[in-house]
Amino acid sequence: DTEVTQTPKHLVMGMTNKKSLKCEQHMGHRAMYWYKQKAKKPPELMFVYSYEKLSINESVPSRFSPECPNSSLLNLHLHALQPEDSALYLCASSFDLPYEQYFGPGTRLTVT
Amino acid sequence: GNSVTQMEGPVTLSEEAFLTINCTYTATGYPSLFWYVQYPGEGLQLLLKATKADDKGSNKGFEATYRKETTSFHLEKGSVQVSDSAVYFCALSNAGGTSYGKLTFGQGTILTVHP
Repeated sequence: DTEVTQTPKHLVMGMTNKKSLKCEQHMGHRAMYWYKQKAKKPPELMFVYSYEKLSINESVPSRFSPECPNSSLLNLHLHALQPEDSALYLCASSFDLPYEQYFGPGTRLTVT
Repeated sequence: GNSVTQMEGPVTLSEEAFLTINCTYTATGYPSLFWYVQYPGEGLQLLLKATKADDKGSNKGFEATYRKETTSFHLEKGSVQVSDSAVYFCALSNAGGTSYGKLTFGQGTILTVHP
């Protein structure tokens, strides 16, 4: 089983809202990732967690706040987003760094 | 640093045609190489991988061979189907250096297959 699940599938939020994206995997993977993908572009790495610790932050604005409550779960907390933050947000996991990554279906976020 | 270059798209083929999508890379050391596919409205799926020189990855009729001498990992399929219409990303992962833990993606190639 190589499934990564993400909820919600779609999210519309105003610029003053606070919302969270959730990602879950039950493959025993120790690395988890958040990506942002704009239309017709490759995914852009945002954050990497390794063994539940933040390993990489690609200079992401503080309005995006990641959290890894346990080895199976990864959250992305959103606050005061801008319309340009509208994108597909993808979660991925891998056995460890730098093994192949398995992606979830994504959350389509629209900021109004 | 690491980089991946894919052939310009989009690519349009008729069903049962032969597919090649070129991918070349620049990296230090011995990266692992991947092809991912993204169907409309979905996340990325790992299509195939190769972790050392001369390895051939294969899946669902797709193949790619890790060629260190030409720093290439071209994707091929002998007979495409309409259901293969998607965006294909070549990517690499390096076990060392400042890119440790990161996937470097090519720009993606849009494939459309007509009946």
